[in-house]
Amino acid sequence: EPEVTQTPSHQVTQMGQEVILRCVPISNHLYFYWYRQILGQKVEFLVSFYNNEISEKSEIFDDQFSVERPDGSNFTLKIRSTKLEDSAMYFCASRPGVDSYNEQFFGPGTRLTVL
Amino acid sequence: QKEVEQNSGPLSVPEGAIASLNCTYSDRGSQSFFWYRQYSGKSPELIMFIYSNGDKEDGRFTAQLNKASQYVSLLIRDSQPSDSATYLCAVKGDYKLSFGAGTTVTVRA
Repeated sequence: EPEVTQTPSHQVTQMGQEVILRCVPISNHLYFYWYRQILGQKVEFLVSFYNNEISEKSEIFDDQFSVERPDGSNFTLKIRSTKLEDSAMYFCASRPGVDSYNEQFFGPGTRLTVL
Repeated sequence: QKEVEQNSGPLSVPEGAIASLNCTYSDRGSQSFFWYRQYSGKSPELIMFIYSNGDKEDGRFTAQLNKASQYVSLLIRDSQPSDSATYLCAVKGDYKLSFGAGTTVTVRA
C-alpha cells in the first residue's frame, strides 16, 4: 500500500542552523501538508501546498520557514535559523484531490531536536 | 478560543467495555470530521471520517455527528488492549485539519 515517507527520522541540530526536512508524498496525491507536534502538545498545522504554491499557512509558518517541491516526488520543509522552540515532531501529509472528504495520509514524522 | 476541544481524559476502561470520546468544534461551517489514533511517538492514523449528521459505524468504531450542537463523538465497542492510544479529533477547514489535544485511552486487561 502506498505511503508517505519522511527523512530523516531524527535530526539533531544546533540553534541557528538551517535544516531541511524531506517528504515523499503518495504519488498521485495533489495536496501536501506540514504539521508539527511539540512533545505533549497537539498536532498543529503549518502549511498546505497545492499546484506548486502555498494555499494556506498558519501564524507559526513565519519567514523562517519555507516549503518547496523541487521535483515530481519530493516535498521539503526548510527552517532557516532554528530556535530551541522548533524542537518537535514534524509530520508531512498528503491528500488525493479536491474532494473535501479525502483523508490526509500522514508520514511517520521527523523528530527535530534543536540544541 | 480553542477551535477543537476534546474531553481531557485520560480515560481508563476495562477490556470489553465501551470507550466514549467527545469532541466539540467552534466553526459552524465545518463539513468534514475525522478521528485519528496516535500511538506514542508515532504519526496520526485515520480511524474514521464523518460528514453527515447521525451515526457511522465501521467495525467496533462508531462516529456520531451533530452539526447543530457542533459535536462529534467516537465510540469504541468491545475495547481491546491494542486500542490503548491517544485519539485525536480533527476538523477540516478549507485546506488544513485542526486537531484537538487528544484523549488518551487505556484499556485494562
